[in-house]
Amino acid sequence: SQQGEEDPQALSIQEGENATMNCSYKTSINNLQWYRQNSGRGLVHLILIRSNEREKHSGRLRVTLDTSKKSSSLLITASRAADTASYFCATEYSGGGADGLTFGKGTHLIIQP
Amino acid sequence: DAGVIQSPRHEVTEMGQEVTLRCKPISGHDYLFWYRQTMMRGLELLIYFNNNVPIDDSGMPEDRFSAKMPNASFSTLKIQPSEPRDSAVYFCASSLSRVGGADGYTFGSGTRLTVV
Repeated sequence: SQQGEEDPQALSIQEGENATMNCSYKTSINNLQWYRQNSGRGLVHLILIRSNEREKHSGRLRVTLDTSKKSSSLLITASRAADTASYFCATEYSGGGADGLTFGKGTHLIIQP
Repeated sequence: DAGVIQSPRHEVTEMGQEVTLRCKPISGHDYLFWYRQTMMRGLELLIYFNNNVPIDDSGMPEDRFSAKMPNASFSTLKIQPSEPRDSAVYFCASSLSRVGGADGYTFGSGTRLTVV
């Protein structure tokens, strides 16, 4: 499987703390995206980082990409109860072909009030 | 735009019955994707369309699954006959490009299918 793998599978922190999730993948990519899924809902696109970028910010989100290690991290600063959700990385592999995005199995984040 | 609209939200059916899931993509999005989500396997791409034409159906698990997109505003995923192992949440997503670009994919709220 070419799925990215998120780590940890589950994370529980106190409100106000920072949350860090990681994604590892197997082959060269063109870009990597992060999505959020609230319980019972569809996935929502958060941010995209291209293979020639190392870091990107969007509000309280910070994404890094290390292509030499084939890994990415998503940092949520000053977490809020509303950040409780599952977070997925999705990759576009650079090997060509007609595939769409490939998603990992996600990190389930719980923010304790 | 109201986003990607899927129906029904929940479907409970008996083994052997035909199930049809429906999706209305965002107007102007040229790509439509069907994904299946389970705890064991995560999100799996079943099939996707570009300008109403099926491009890659290699993820469709068996001949019991079929998908159509008769026009730019409607797609169906049909399972006939359904089996208990088909129980999952089925998502439809649409986008401007094959891999979503800067805005990524827009997902519907999903159809939770239970086959008993």
